[in-house]
Amino acid sequence: AQKITQTQPGMFVQEKEAVTLDCTYDTSDPSYGLFWYKQPSSGEMIFLIYQGSYDQQNATEGRYSLNFQKARKSANLVISASQLGDSAMYFCAMRGPPGGYNKLIFGAGTRLAVHP
Amino acid sequence: DAGITQSPRHKVTETGTPVTLRCHQTENHRYMYWYRQDPGHGLRLIHYSYGVKDTDKGEVSDGYSVSRSKTEDFLLTLESATSSQTSVYFCAISEFDGQNEKLFFGSGTQLSVL
Repeated sequence: AQKITQTQPGMFVQEKEAVTLDCTYDTSDPSYGLFWYKQPSSGEMIFLIYQGSYDQQNATEGRYSLNFQKARKSANLVISASQLGDSAMYFCAMRGPPGGYNKLIFGAGTRLAVHP
Repeated sequence: DAGITQSPRHKVTETGTPVTLRCHQTENHRYMYWYRQDPGHGLRLIHYSYGVKDTDKGEVSDGYSVSRSKTEDFLLTLESATSSQTSVYFCAISEFDGQNEKLFFGSGTQLSVL
């Protein structure tokens, strides 16, 4: 069965520093996709970054990068130069079973607090 | 902005009453999804649709039904609401960006069943 694990219920970081949010996954399917979403206190789910299992390079989107280690089945999110507005819940998700029409399986989330 | 509108944004109802949540999209996406979010569980898939009148169950579908009579609307119905269905409900669509399919979410509906 496919599974996503986020082991850090909460993290804090000083403004302008980098932070890594951990995500490990389990799947037997060689073709999969990994997503990160941000959920601020307002409640919306904001897409941040995507990594395909066959992508040769780690995904980057502005200050967000994904440290994809396929052999270890990890897909950690790195936020560089943290800002106060980065304080939010962060969810890692994986595309579900084959033919899953983009059904995503989510981790339980990590709450990030950025301190001035 | 993927053009997704959820209504209502907030609803309070009583146990045993029927409730329908609406998801409306303006960009002709084929795939639409309903998720619920509960503390400690992340988001869990309730139902999804891969076209008009084509729907299927997700991992937590008991107590819910869906309908999609036209491309732009995906309705989630709680036939007889229970307190365990108090949750935040998110609608989502799939969008292909030229390389990969990505999921984008609506703003959510906070449902309280008393």
